[in-house]
Amino acid sequence: QVQLVQSGSELKKPGASVKVSCKASGYTFTSYAMNWVRQAPGQGLEWMGWINTNTGNPTYAQGFTGRFVFSLDTSVSTAYLQISSLKAEDTAVYYCAKSNYYDSSGYRIDYWGQGTLVTVSS
Amino acid sequence: DIQMTQSPSSLSASVGDRVTITCRASQSISSYLNWYQQKPGKAPKLLIYAASSLQSGVPSRFSGSGSGTDFTLTISSLQPEDFATYYCQQSYTAFTFGPGTKVDIK
Repeated sequence: QVQLVQSGSELKKPGASVKVSCKASGYTFTSYAMNWVRQAPGQGLEWMGWINTNTGNPTYAQGFTGRFVFSLDTSVSTAYLQISSLKAEDTAVYYCAKSNYYDSSGYRIDYWGQGTLVTVSS
Repeated sequence: DIQMTQSPSSLSASVGDRVTITCRASQSISSYLNWYQQKPGKAPKLLIYAASSLQSGVPSRFSGSGSGTDFTLTISSLQPEDFATYYCQQSYTAFTFGPGTKVDIK
């Protein structure tokens, strides 16, 4: 069965960096894109972007350029989200989420990781 | 960028009620609209894709309709496990989520 298992909660100081991992199993990792979604405390879902797991090419949504980096290690079916120069407003749960297509143009997110809480506080 | 709105932002309902949530896109997105359910402390779960297709394993009391800019999610008879927040998401151009609709107990 498909599983996305994320790394554990992180507590970081402002200005530090964090790297969240998302290990996939139960499917061919390089056949489906991986998305990252942010959810600040008490807030809604924000799509951060996605990474093509076949080519490694990332696409970042508006507001998630510069300090956010998506990467892969396909040898261990793992996607990564790195955030640098952390700010208090980066405090959120970060989800990895697998895309699936249902026709030539239609996509849905069919599996989600359990989420990783990143807390930024001095 | 395509913006998504949802109404209402919250609603109170009783078990057995018929519940309808509306989602509107800032431009036509054809039928590239998905619906998710999220319970507190849990990851979202896909309910409906392509505006009206029921994801495998999702109860048939959930249904979706619409195309273009206006969409609805309907729960025909609300069950205790359906109290949650519901999000629409467009997939016409990348992804954008709506702000969510919280369904709680009246």
